[in-house]
Amino acid sequence: AQSVTQLGSHVSVSEGALVLLRCNYSSSVPPYLFWYVQYPNQGLQLLLKYTTGATLVKGINGFEAEFKKSETSFHLTKPSAHMSDAAEYFCAVSPTGNTPLVFGKGTRLSVIA
Amino acid sequence: DGGITQSPKYLFRKEGQNVTLSCEQNLNHDAMYWYRQDPGQGLRLIYYSQIVNDFQKGDIAEGYSVSREKKESFPLTVTSAQKNPTAFYLCASSTTGGLAYGYTFGSGTRLTVV
Repeated sequence: AQSVTQLGSHVSVSEGALVLLRCNYSSSVPPYLFWYVQYPNQGLQLLLKYTTGATLVKGINGFEAEFKKSETSFHLTKPSAHMSDAAEYFCAVSPTGNTPLVFGKGTRLSVIA
Repeated sequence: DGGITQSPKYLFRKEGQNVTLSCEQNLNHDAMYWYRQDPGQGLRLIYYSQIVNDFQKGDIAEGYSVSREKKESFPLTVTSAQKNPTAFYLCASSTTGGLAYGYTFGSGTRLTVV
């Protein structure tokens, strides 16, 4: 069964610093990969996705992620953190694109002024 | 505007009571999903439906039931058999043919047992 591991349940960065949120997955086939963001008491909003093609994908709010098949990773980065980036971030995978998404346990990002 | 509407936003359930959470979408999506969110547990799949009048169990279906009589609607019933129902419930939908565009999520229902 596919699984998603997000390293670090809580990450804290200073405003203006690099944001790096880690995601590793297990899948027997090249997967569909997603990052979502959730603000308190709200639903999830899609940040970016990888389906096929270019392995470096850019999303909203200055975030990007790189699919590395050899490392089974899809880490999320942003060069400079902003206070408004404080939220919970979820990595998700679907092995075929036709099966429901499997989510990681989430990483809460705090941004310190 | 197209989207997914979940209601109510907050719901309180007494012990032994069944409650139904509503999920309606006007995106013309064929597939709909219910996830449960608990702190530190991520999202866990309860049920999903890829076509009207058909649905499949997810990883934690026990104590829950669903119906899919209309394309737009996918209500979730939390039955008295669900012993620990307090959680945040999220409904989502996606287009036919897979997840190339990901899910669209509703804003959630927070269920509390009193």
